[in-house]
Amino acid sequence: DAGVTQSPTHLIKTRGQQVTLRCSPKSGHDTVSWYQQALGQGPQFIFQYYEEEERQRGNFPDRFSGHQFPNYSSELNVNALLLGDSALYLCASSLGRHHSNQPQHFGDGTRLSIL
Amino acid sequence: DQQVKQNSPSLSVQEGRISILNCDYTNSMFDYFLWYKKYPAEGPTFLISISSIKDKNEDGRFTVFLNKSAKHLSLHIVPSQPGDSAVYFCAASGGTDKLIFGTGTRLQVFP
Repeated sequence: DAGVTQSPTHLIKTRGQQVTLRCSPKSGHDTVSWYQQALGQGPQFIFQYYEEEERQRGNFPDRFSGHQFPNYSSELNVNALLLGDSALYLCASSLGRHHSNQPQHFGDGTRLSIL
Repeated sequence: DQQVKQNSPSLSVQEGRISILNCDYTNSMFDYFLWYKKYPAEGPTFLISISSIKDKNEDGRFTVFLNKSAKHLSLHIVPSQPGDSAVYFCAASGGTDKLIFGTGTRLQVFP
């Protein structure tokens, strides 16, 4: 039973560039959430996708966008990268918005470094 | 505005003893609480959760206690083992699936 998988594991970009991170949810899960974790902090919610639509969004600028595909996998896109975007980006999957109180399961993240 | 707080950045416990990790929250709308464990270079691993309709949930060596009036929850690990050494995050949600995390507590279990 495959868990949540993310790619790539590490990425180095320069300011102003654009990046795409990818996530495959745990088998049987249909909801994907993205989080940003800065050094020494807890994960911060970016947004959540369900039925290929963004359902909730945290306090992140429009430079952060995403997509969910029919197979439930998801992408996170960040445009016009800033130094402050350097962080660990975590994807989490869960079982549907109609199943209350279900834990989210996390992948190992993508470490993004901006030079 | 830190809605979920873990005021102890670190905790050191001897192997075999009890580890108690604490978490406070401010938003009374939170109704579901979770604990995650994180090793370096890995994502957070779900440990245990509790709904606001309960005050205790147990799973093997892990027990979570919820005190709604004090807006406080704690994770007890008994007995503590060296493999439990990790960073522990408390998280909460309320009415939506969005998780609000604390800043984490680094637990070290020594022999």
